[in-house]
Amino acid sequence: NAGVTQTPKFRVLKTGQSMTLLCAQDMNHEYMYWYRQDPGMGLRLIHYSVGEGTTAKGEVPDGYNVSRLKKQNFLLGLESAAPSQTSVYFCASSDQDRDGYTFGSGTRLTVV
Amino acid sequence: DAKTTQPNSMESNEEEPVHLPCNHSTISGTDYIHWYRQLPSQGPEYVIHGLTSNVNNRMASLAIAEDRKSSTLILHRATLRDAAVYYCILRDRNTGNQFYFGTGTSLTVIP
Repeated sequence: NAGVTQTPKFRVLKTGQSMTLLCAQDMNHEYMYWYRQDPGMGLRLIHYSVGEGTTAKGEVPDGYNVSRLKKQNFLLGLESAAPSQTSVYFCASSDQDRDGYTFGSGTRLTVV
Repeated sequence: DAKTTQPNSMESNEEEPVHLPCNHSTISGTDYIHWYRQLPSQGPEYVIHGLTSNVNNRMASLAIAEDRKSSTLILHRATLRDAAVYYCILRDRNTGNQFYFGTGTSLTVIP
């Protein structure tokens, strides 16, 4: 099983550019999440989804948009990147009633 | 949302047991207690979770206080590979199963 796969693993953007981070899971999980982690800090929830076609805001949603058109994929978009969005982004998925999250290996994004 | 409080850092000698505490005094009846760990430059990894009873798995044990206001993750024999940041998190089944991470406990294992 691949689990949770994030692409790309690394990316450098210029301020104002846009990009989309892709998260794919092959475990048929209903719930998917996007977190960001800044140096020396814990993870902060950006957006999450409780099923195909649904999305909701987390703690720090500003500057990001998400879509869940297919159950297995959760996309995180940055429409106009800012240096404050330099971070490591983690995607996770979860089954509704059972064990915890499975995380991807992260995407390291630098905005210059 | 109920939050958790953990010590910023702890140390343990290799091959000795480690008890990592977590306070969650505002826990609700529907909150599960989850523990994750994050090794350097990796994504968080699930360790264990429980609701009311103590739990054991191949990685660790989870001891939950009777009033559920605190819990302790127990690593029975610390190894150098257990050096990581450990997060104690509450999972509320009634709010979309969101996790809110704090800064966790950074565990150093001394050879």
